[in-house]
Amino acid sequence: QQQVKQSPQSLIVQKGGIPIINCAYENTAFDYFPWYQQFPGKGPALLIAIRPDVSEKKEGRFTISFNKSAKQFSLHIMDSQPGDSATYFCAASGGSSNTGKLIFGQGTTLQVKP
Amino acid sequence: DAGITQSPRHKVTETGTPVTLRCHQTENHRYMYWYRQDPGHGLRLIHYSYGVKDTDKGEVSDGYSVSRSKTEDFLLTLESATSSQTSVYFCAISTRAWSYNEQFFGPGTRLTVL
Repeated sequence: QQQVKQSPQSLIVQKGGIPIINCAYENTAFDYFPWYQQFPGKGPALLIAIRPDVSEKKEGRFTISFNKSAKQFSLHIMDSQPGDSATYFCAASGGSSNTGKLIFGQGTTLQVKP
Repeated sequence: DAGITQSPRHKVTETGTPVTLRCHQTENHRYMYWYRQDPGHGLRLIHYSYGVKDTDKGEVSDGYSVSRSKTEDFLLTLESATSSQTSVYFCAISTRAWSYNEQFFGPGTRLTVL
């Protein structure tokens, strides 16, 4: 119940395309869903996050869509650029034993071709 | 990397030897976390700390111990390293324990156990 499943494992798009990364969770107590971006040789960094009381959140070219009934959320990158090439992790936290612990998905390696 | 340093950045050791990784922060954040990152598994929590001398286990704590004697330092120890502990280790910090907290990650330590 603590798992967060992420797909696809890898993704290749052309510049300007709209890559979509999907995540699914089981624990209905989760109430915070962040996405982290990681460049090679660096630690992950928070990209965008959503709470379950909204269905969509947009920050610049990055959008999270959230479907509470399906227990799914996804990241969309509009007008993708080669500089967006990175590994993306979804995550979730919350619940009765809330200690701020994040449960991460398996990661998606995105390559945006020029 | 938000005032977080990890040392060493790279280490090669042999099976059965003890290894200690250090995370040092200058942000005075209360909460600190140790993760390991492996292909196909994303980031998995090893141990975390919610204050000086206050620590708890994460999902993959077997074979690891931690200590936190000062707010700024969080040590991860492999008492007797095994090849399965070859990984990239990340330290993270945050200001709050509950949901909606952003975790800031260090640059990582690449550990190879031969």
